[in-house]
Amino acid sequence: DAGVIQSPRHEVTEMGQEVTLRCKPISGHNSLFWYRQTMMRGLELLIYFNNNVPIDDSGMPEDRFSAKMPNASFSTLKIQPSEPRDSAVYFCASSPHGSNQPQHFGDGTRLSIL
Amino acid sequence: QKEVEQNSGPLSVPEGAIASLNCTYSDRGSQSFFWYRQYSGKSPELIMFIYSNGDKEDGRFTAQLNKASQYVSLLIRDSQPSDSATYLCAVKSAGGYQKVTFGIGTKLQVIP
Repeated sequence: DAGVIQSPRHEVTEMGQEVTLRCKPISGHNSLFWYRQTMMRGLELLIYFNNNVPIDDSGMPEDRFSAKMPNASFSTLKIQPSEPRDSAVYFCASSPHGSNQPQHFGDGTRLSIL
Repeated sequence: QKEVEQNSGPLSVPEGAIASLNCTYSDRGSQSFFWYRQYSGKSPELIMFIYSNGDKEDGRFTAQLNKASQYVSLLIRDSQPSDSATYLCAVKSAGGYQKVTFGIGTKLQVIP
């Protein structure tokens, strides 16, 4: 079975540029999560989608961040304009419906903003 | 108070010993508890989950849950150098929304 697929694996860009991270969840999973991980703050939930609808975006840091899920097999996280403090590893995870179902993580995107 | 608390470590144990990793949570209504292992530079991978009070064993791993004390732990028996990683405790809140809150993670070092 294919796991959660994220792209790109690494992204290095200059401050002010637009960054787009992509995620393909596991087929059949109807919940999708975007996380950001840093040494200082650990794993933080940015946004959660259920059946392609954003349910909780309270973790999105500010208006520079946006996320979409146009269909069940694709989601994007966009940062515009990017800033050096956005440098982190961004993970996408998906899970099946059900309160006791665990999340399965993609390999992450390591983002560096210069 | 953080929602999910873990000691960041590092926790060092000799090879063959029992490693004990601990986690406390603040939401008394939490119902599902997960342990993830994360190797350096890799993504978290699920190793255990527990929903009911008591112990749950899977190979060398035992998860323990005490809802009254809001405490969950992971024991690793016969620790191996390959167990060296960061272990993340994750807690899912009650209700329909599947929000999972992760602890900062405990770094485990198994010394050969």
